[in-house]
Amino acid sequence: DVQLVESGGGLVQPGGSLRLSCAVSGFTVSNNYMAWVRQAPGKGLEWVSVIYSGGNTYYAASVKDRFTITSDDSKNTLYLQMDSLRAEDTAVYYCARWATMIYFDYWGQGNLVTVSS
Amino acid sequence: QSALTQPASVSGSPGQSITISCTGSSSDVGSYNFVSWYQQHPGKAPKLLIYEVTRRPSGVSDRFSGSKSGNTASLTISGIQAEDEADYHCCSYAGYSTVVFGGGTKLTVL
Repeated sequence: DVQLVESGGGLVQPGGSLRLSCAVSGFTVSNNYMAWVRQAPGKGLEWVSVIYSGGNTYYAASVKDRFTITSDDSKNTLYLQMDSLRAEDTAVYYCARWATMIYFDYWGQGNLVTVSS
Repeated sequence: QSALTQPASVSGSPGQSITISCTGSSSDVGSYNFVSWYQQHPGKAPKLLIYEVTRRPSGVSDRFSGSKSGNTASLTISGIQAEDEADYHCCSYAGYSTVVFGGGTKLTVL
């Protein structure tokens, strides 16, 4: 069975940092394209970042130079390091597998990040 | 890139068919047959319904179908049921390893 289990969310002040984790079982993270997608309260989904199996990374303009996506092969885990957080980054963050760069077929349960003073 | 445009809400009675539109541009929907649709119930993660415009993953009811014309993709749900009440999101590849989503559509089953 495939499972993506997220952790690391919470309340952080503006300008602060937070690291999200996504522990994967059922497939190998390093052999797949993995992504982070977020959803602000009451809003639609927003693509945040993707990491390719070869290590290349891409970011939405809204988070570029503030967020960093990485993976750890030994732990089969995906990460999102979020720095210089802003109120508009408040959202539920989902990790997901980006199958063949076409669709997101497996999703984590979601992790709420709240940026507020 | 700009979000794809979806109606904020649609509604229908049980047994009816409804269609949700998703309008993009020549840079995303119009250029790639990489449109996907997701169903999301409150407090839950999105679930893949349609990929590559028209294809259904195994286990998804054939009441769900997708299509595309020009810069607009559509999701049709035939014979809607109470359990179909949820939010629906469209998504398109937008080139240069980026993805764009729509704003989401809330389906109410009357």
